[in-house]
Amino acid sequence: SAVISQKPSRDICQRGTSLTIQCQVDSQVTMMFWYRQQPGQSLTLIATANQGSEATYESGFVIDKFPISRPNLTFSTLTVSNMSPEDSSIYLCSVGVKGAPFYEQYFGPGTRLTVT
Amino acid sequence: RKEVEQDPGPFNVPEGATVAFNCTYSNSASQSFFWYRQDCRKEPKLLMSVYSSGNEDGRFTAQLNRASQYISLLIRDSKLSDSATYLCVVNIRGGYNKLIFGAGTRLAVHP
Repeated sequence: SAVISQKPSRDICQRGTSLTIQCQVDSQVTMMFWYRQQPGQSLTLIATANQGSEATYESGFVIDKFPISRPNLTFSTLTVSNMSPEDSSIYLCSVGVKGAPFYEQYFGPGTRLTVT
Repeated sequence: RKEVEQDPGPFNVPEGATVAFNCTYSNSASQSFFWYRQDCRKEPKLLMSVYSSGNEDGRFTAQLNRASQYISLLIRDSKLSDSATYLCVVNIRGGYNKLIFGAGTRLAVHP
């Protein structure tokens, strides 16, 4: 597995502002992912963070709202832009690691965001 | 129809009981399967991958039935510390991306 940290762990933000979440891994990994877990819901993939190229977004998520950076193989950021209360959620990064027999994903501790 | 469906529970069982969770998935092209455990206000943690032939890890046994598109998790000799939400997860694209998460099944083990 990998050791993953996220900053901040939680934040309370005003609507209309933006928040950047950082994800740091203790080893180089090819793929990193960003998920959202809304209150009482399961996880939904926002995008795959690609090193050296633009992120790949899932249906319903766009770059203008959730810009992602991936400057190297151990770090990524997710920005939640122009926030509204509907963006209140837990945001988690994950990394893909070769397991047996499948690639496995491991998650960071999450960032709990509340938008007022 | 949801891509991954689970009984939300909760399953309330006494310590020492055996409990089974089921999960169905809709995409027949799904290629890999997992059970994750999520404690309250924590991130999901990988419990076990599910092999085609079924696999066991201590008190936990996972089974896959591709024909019926069905996955199960059996927990024997339940412990208080097993109380959590168990997430059935399917990879529909191969490789290690595009995990689809079920909504989870809550387990509460009581003394």
